[in-house]
Amino acid sequence: QVQLVQSGAEVKKPGASVKVSCKASGYTFTSYGISWVRQAPGQGLEWMGWISAYNGNTNYAQKLQGRVTMTTDTSTSTAYMELRSLRSDDTAVYYCAREEGGGNLDYWGQGTLVTVSS
Amino acid sequence: SYELTQPPSVSVSPGQTARITCSGDALPKKYAYWYQQKSGQAPVLVIYEDSKRPSGIPERFSGSSSGTMATLTISGAQVEDEADYYCYSTDSSGKGVFGGGTKLTVL
Repeated sequence: QVQLVQSGAEVKKPGASVKVSCKASGYTFTSYGISWVRQAPGQGLEWMGWISAYNGNTNYAQKLQGRVTMTTDTSTSTAYMELRSLRSDDTAVYYCAREEGGGNLDYWGQGTLVTVSS
Repeated sequence: SYELTQPPSVSVSPGQTARITCSGDALPKKYAYWYQQKSGQAPVLVIYEDSKRPSGIPERFSGSSSGTMATLTISGAQVEDEADYYCYSTDSSGKGVFGGGTKLTVL
């Protein structure tokens, strides 16, 4: 069965970086993309970006350009999302999701809480 | 930037039909997707490509799209359908966008 298992909760200080992992299993990793979505406390879903696990192509949300980097390691079927220069408003649950194409996010990770606080 | 607009809340009685709308200028050319999120849980895909239902999603969930509006319909809503619902689509550059979300109350 398809599973996406994310790394554990993180607490970071403003200005620091965080790297969240998303390990995939139960399907051919390189046949799909991975999207990252975050949700601030009490708020809606926010699309952060997408990476092709096939060739590493990326497409990032305009507001995060320059601060976010998405990568994959095909040898371990793991996707990573790194966010730099953290601010308090980056406090959120971060989700990875398998993307079949065009917006079909059919399987989601369990979410990773990132708290940014001094 | 591209936006999708949803009503903040919809309320129905059990057994009634709930309709949640999503408007966006690019919807005539782009598919709409619908995600259900229950409290404290990850979102779940309930409709893809405007009107297709993933396996395991009850038949009472359906979707449609006409012009700049997509609609999620829950026919005979159940108490367990109470959740936040988000529409999702992409802009002309392939960047994703979620609607603001609609809180469905069934009581």
